Amino acid sequence: AQKVTQAQTEISVVEKEDVTLDCVYETRDTTYYLFWYKQPPSGELVFLIRRNSFDEQNEISGRYSWNFQKSTSSFNFTITASQVVDSAVYFCALLIQGAQKLVFGQGTRLTINP
Amino acid sequence: GAVVSQHPSRVICKSGTSVKIECRSLDFQATTMFWYRQFPKQSLMLMATSNEGSKATYEQGVEKDKFLINHASLTLSTLTVTSAHPEDSSFYICSARGPHEAFFGQGTRLTVV
Repeated sequence: AQKVTQAQTEISVVEKEDVTLDCVYETRDTTYYLFWYKQPPSGELVFLIRRNSFDEQNEISGRYSWNFQKSTSSFNFTITASQVVDSAVYFCALLIQGAQKLVFGQGTRLTINP
Repeated sequence: GAVVSQHPSRVICKSGTSVKIECRSLDFQATTMFWYRQFPKQSLMLMATSNEGSKATYEQGVEKDKFLINHASLTLSTLTVTSAHPEDSSFYICSARGPHEAFFGQGTRLTVV
């Protein structure tokens, strides 16, 4: 069975602080994809990143960075110099190759205070 | 990039009436679409998988006669909430699969009064 755990239900930081959102996944499959989505108050899910299981290279995109470690089954997301506009719920998700369904974590509500 | 359009974004209806929500993939053909329901402060709950030209596959506990899904073309899936009740009030969101990722619609906030 597949499972995604986002242990942090809510995080609140002051603007300009760095913040890391944790994601731990479980699967016995060797080929899979990991995702992060942002859900702002408007409700739409915004795609942030996709990483396949064979690519452990960390990625940086502006203030966003992702740390994928297969040894610990984690795919953590860091926002550097956070801004108020980063406030949202962030979901980590897992997709097994050949499967149709995304498995979502419970989400982390991030609040950036001015 | 790929875009999924969901309509309407908000709807208020009276108890006992039916509401149809549309999900369109705008620039790619989606043989498979997904319908989710999201309760406040919770994660997305998959309701059903919609397959073009065939019957939808419903998740355990989801009433297929209550939530009718039609996927008549490669770019359109519809979810109809029949005989709506206040407990059906929720945020509904659709998703269309690309080769390696899933794209989501804007969501529909349904309020049944």
